[in-house]
Amino acid sequence: DAGVTQSPTHLIKTRGQQVTLRCSPKSGHDTVSWYQQALGQGPQFIFQYYEEEERQRGNFPDRFSGHQFPNYSSELNVNALLLGDSALYLCASSREGTGGMETQYFGPGTRLLVL
Amino acid sequence: AQKITQTQPGMFVQEKEAVTLDCTYDTSDQSYGLFWYKQPSSGEMIFLIYQGSYDEQNATEGRYSLNFQKARKSANLVISASQLGDSAMYFCAMREGDGGTSYGKLTFGQGTILTVHP
Repeated sequence: DAGVTQSPTHLIKTRGQQVTLRCSPKSGHDTVSWYQQALGQGPQFIFQYYEEEERQRGNFPDRFSGHQFPNYSSELNVNALLLGDSALYLCASSREGTGGMETQYFGPGTRLLVL
Repeated sequence: AQKITQTQPGMFVQEKEAVTLDCTYDTSDQSYGLFWYKQPSSGEMIFLIYQGSYDEQNATEGRYSLNFQKARKSANLVISASQLGDSAMYFCAMREGDGGTSYGKLTFGQGTILTVHP
């Protein structure tokens, strides 16, 4: 049973550039959430996708955008990169269930460094 | 106000002993879920244990148990018989709201670094 996968594992960009991160959910899961984890901090919720729509968003600027494809995989796009965007980006997948209380399972993350 | 508070930045435990990692939370919702995740240096967040707000029994998963005290709003993780491989960062997280309102957003604490000594 394949778990959550993310690509790339590491990425180096310069300020002002744009980046796209990718996530494939665990088999049987249809919901994808993205989190940003700065060094030494807990993850912060960016947004969640279900049925190819963004249905909840955290306190992130609209430079952060995403997409979900019909096969439930997802992309996170960040435009006009800032130094402060350097972080570990985690994707989590879950199965839409009763009460929305299904456990989220995380991928290995993408480490983004902005120079 | 912090929704999830982990007051122990770092904890040390001897191999084979038990350790408790503290977590307190703040919510006005009646229905919520509490989670513990382990994050090794590799970065992946590994799900350990879940406790629902309406669960009357404390959750257990192998060597992990969750000491849930609802009135005190605490959800401490107990690891029994610690192993060297338990050395990692541990995060407590909460999901608020019932069906149709929460959509599963997790709010995390700052984490506790656990070091297991041989």
